[in-house]
Amino acid sequence: DARVTQTPRHKVTEMGQEVTMRCQPILGHNTVFWYRQTMMQGLELLAYFRNRAPLDDSGMPKDRFSAEMPDATLATLKIQPSEPRDSAVYFCASGPRDGYAEAFFGQGTRLTVV
Amino acid sequence: TQLLEQSPQFLSIQEGENLTVYCNSSSVFSSLQWYRQEPGEGPVLLVTVVTGGEVKKLKRLTFQFGDARKDSSLHITAAQPGDTGLYLCAGAGNTGTASKLTFGTGTRLQVTL
Repeated sequence: DARVTQTPRHKVTEMGQEVTMRCQPILGHNTVFWYRQTMMQGLELLAYFRNRAPLDDSGMPKDRFSAEMPDATLATLKIQPSEPRDSAVYFCASGPRDGYAEAFFGQGTRLTVV
Repeated sequence: TQLLEQSPQFLSIQEGENLTVYCNSSSVFSSLQWYRQEPGEGPVLLVTVVTGGEVKKLKRLTFQFGDARKDSSLHITAAQPGDTGLYLCAGAGNTGTASKLTFGTGTRLQVTL
């Protein structure tokens, strides 16, 4: 089964530390999304890429968050410095070249900043 | 900003009952999707509806897209404990695969024996 792979699954870090989350999209998909999920806010879109180019990162706090796609098989989301309010589950999803913008999600990275 | 409101937020029913979940917006979407999410997992795509008035069935689940493509509903017949989960609708604002997906507020369903 083709699936989106995210690492790490869980991360506990101290406030101020750098956090890097990685995502391997489904082979052949050309759209990659980063979402953050919390109980209060639900699923929020942070950024998305098409053919590795960033299309929209307006949902991301620019001063501390950055998202990149170094190549077609890797997307990264970095937080520096991390803060307790960043604690959430971060999901990566990829979408096929053809279709109606469907998103296929990874299992997420549960981040806790203490 | 396109907002998708789902109702109800929470639903607890017994096995065998029917239920309907609603997804409403003031915005028009080129397509709308429904996902189900279980604890510790990412959302899983159930269906995509594209045409206004479209109805799709997936076993005991019936999905409908509103005529104006601003709202949708999910109806479950004879709910089972395996239907328990968080149901999310998501709207795509533009045509094509590079569309921005906006997710609804979610409906948490619990089906008990």
